[in-house]
Amino acid sequence: SQTIHQWPATLVQPVGSPLSLECTVEGTSNPNLYWYRQAAGRGLQLLFYSVGIGQISSEVPQNLSASRPQDRQFILSSKKLLLSDSGFYLCAWDPGSAYEQYFGPGTRLTVT
Amino acid sequence: AQSVSQHNHHVILSEAASLELGCNYSYGGTVNLFWYVQYPGQHLQLLLKYFSGDPLVKGIKGFEAEFIKSKFSFNLRKPSVQWSDTAEYFCAAPGGGGSNYKLTFGKGTLLTVNP
Repeated sequence: SQTIHQWPATLVQPVGSPLSLECTVEGTSNPNLYWYRQAAGRGLQLLFYSVGIGQISSEVPQNLSASRPQDRQFILSSKKLLLSDSGFYLCAWDPGSAYEQYFGPGTRLTVT
Repeated sequence: AQSVSQHNHHVILSEAASLELGCNYSYGGTVNLFWYVQYPGQHLQLLLKYFSGDPLVKGIKGFEAEFIKSKFSFNLRKPSVQWSDTAEYFCAAPGGGGSNYKLTFGKGTLLTVNP
C-alpha cells in the first residue's frame, strides 16, 4: 500500500533563516506531487505541483520554491523565511490526472 | 478557472440532527467532485467522490452527497450526526487554472457536534 511521509512535523524558525520541508511517497511510481498551505478559514492553497522529476509548476508568486530530485521526493524550500510564511504545509500525491489526492500529516511552520 | 464555494463556515449541531453542507463549483465541463474531511489532529482524508454514473454517492461513516449538474452543486449529507463527526469538511473539484492535475478546494466548513 502507498504511504506518504512529511517531516518535520513541527518547525520553529527565525525570520531570514532557510527552510527545507521534505515529502516522500512510498508504494507507487511516477506520482503527481503537490504542496499546499492550509490556513484557518481559507481552505487549502495550492503552492506547487509536479508531474515528474524536475518538473515544477508554481501557482502563486511567493518566497518559496519546490524541487523534485527523485521520483517520489518533493521538497519545499526557502532561502529566507518571512513571518508570513508561517502556516500548515501539506504534501499530497495522486496517481494521475483527476484522481483523488492523498495527503500527508503536514508540517506546522512557525516563523518568529 | 475552477472555483469551489462552501456556504457555511461553521455549523453547530446536536447529536442525531441531520446535516447538509453546501458546495457549488463553477466549471461546467466533465466534473469529478470530492469531499474531504479532517478530524482533529488527523490527516486530511477522502470522504467520498463522484466521477460519473449515479449522482447520489455514498462515502464512509454514513455520509452521502448528491451531484446536481443543473445547479453546479455537490452537497454533503448525513441523516444523523454523531459527536465523532466533529471535523472540518472540504469540497474539491479538479480543473483549476486550466489543468486537470490540480484540485481546487473550498474554504472548508467546520462542523461541531455537541453531545
